[in-house]
Amino acid sequence: GPKVLQIPSHQIIDMGQMVTLNCDPVSNHLYFYWYKQILGQQMEFLVNFYNGKVMEKSKLFKDQFSVERPDGSYFTLKIQPTALEDSAVYFCASSLALRGGRPYEQYFGPGTRLTVL
Amino acid sequence: GQQVQQSPASLVLQEGENAELQCNFSSTATRLQWFYQRPGGSLVSLLSNPSGTKHTGRLTSTTVTKERRGSLHISSSQITDSGTYLCAMGSNTGYQNFYFGKGTSLTVIP
Repeated sequence: GPKVLQIPSHQIIDMGQMVTLNCDPVSNHLYFYWYKQILGQQMEFLVNFYNGKVMEKSKLFKDQFSVERPDGSYFTLKIQPTALEDSAVYFCASSLALRGGRPYEQYFGPGTRLTVL
Repeated sequence: GQQVQQSPASLVLQEGENAELQCNFSSTATRLQWFYQRPGGSLVSLLSNPSGTKHTGRLTSTTVTKERRGSLHISSSQITDSGTYLCAMGSNTGYQNFYFGKGTSLTVIP
């Protein structure tokens, strides 16, 4: 079936550095999402993105976070600067545009495990 | 905010037994989706079910939207079914962000 890819699978960085997490969504999808899961805790919504804009974000989406999808390439999550509490697995998801009010299924990537030291 | 409660938190079954996982959510959801999370963390989408009952293989998802609850029934459990099952509620905004429960950890023993 359709696959969402995430690069890298693991990233270890020092606190204060910048990190960019990359997501390669399903090719014809138009809605993109980031979720965060701290080890042993539940997965939580961060942000969604459509037509070049952030449409919704949660309180977890701090000012240090930004997302973009330049020229239809990777959908990225950038954290600058990173903090210890940013250590988590970050999942990207994508879906087709809504049609007639009925949402299409979201497809999730395998996650990027970020460790901030 | 949106809340999703799953029960039980953990479940141990003998191979061949059936499992019933519950999910309750705090507001009207337009969609309920069940995921299996592998020990390494990756997600497998199992069933997406806004209302009513859906089957796939040994899995049956039942969602009663008006009562804000859903369930996942796993019949004839197998050892390979062990893992964490997540219930996710699609938000009632236009963008369908998911709100996840904490999961039910299922262990199937021989």
